Amino acid sequence: QSALTQPASVSGSPGQSITISCTGTSSDVVVYNSVSWYQQHPGKAPKLLIYEVSSRPSGVSNRFSGSKSGNTASLTISGLQAEDEADYYCSSKRTIGTWVFGGGTKVTVL
Amino acid sequence: QVQLVESGGGVVRPGRSLRLSCAASGFTFSTYAMHWVRQVPGRGLEWVAVIYYDGSNKYYGDSVKGRFTISRDNSKNTLYLQMNSLRAEDTAVYYCARPVVALSLYGMDVWGQGTTVTVSS
Repeated sequence: QSALTQPASVSGSPGQSITISCTGTSSDVVVYNSVSWYQQHPGKAPKLLIYEVSSRPSGVSNRFSGSKSGNTASLTISGLQAEDEADYYCSSKRTIGTWVFGGGTKVTVL
Repeated sequence: QVQLVESGGGVVRPGRSLRLSCAASGFTFSTYAMHWVRQVPGRGLEWVAVIYYDGSNKYYGDSVKGRFTISRDNSKNTLYLQMNSLRAEDTAVYYCARPVVALSLYGMDVWGQGTTVTVSS
């Protein structure tokens, strides 16, 4: 069960915008509008940032936004802040009821 | 408040079994599907299993299919993961997680603190 493909690392300076990609297949990202994005700080449980491609749960900053085109979903963090330094994971529903995560992206704030 | 609390982790020998529990509170448990997700320390997240709100459907990741069983007791607001034939590669922190919207599967919004399973001889 191969994972969704994410870049290992992305970096940016405070105030900049960065985008993390999440590439899937015709069995997951392409066919389902179920992509979610999670932020995880060391030693903490993941936190949901985006669900159903572009929806934000209440309480999540509007600096986080999601989109999808074809087999690739994207998370954009605008106005990068020091507290955004963390690991980020995408996930998607996959055919036959299963789910899959991406390999994770480490975001570094320079 | 909305809360998930996992328990049941520990050290177990290869080939043995362990049952994890996830106690839910602060929301109507019986209207939410529930997921198990695991994470090897220092590694990424791996989806393990999902059970629908009424237990009618259950799905598993390839690495645990046939060895793990997800179940729930809505009268006790508790989710379970029965893990049999454990292997060293099952060593991880196990999280239970709840979707953001009732009767939906999408977006794991509420997570427990995790329980650690170590499989070692």
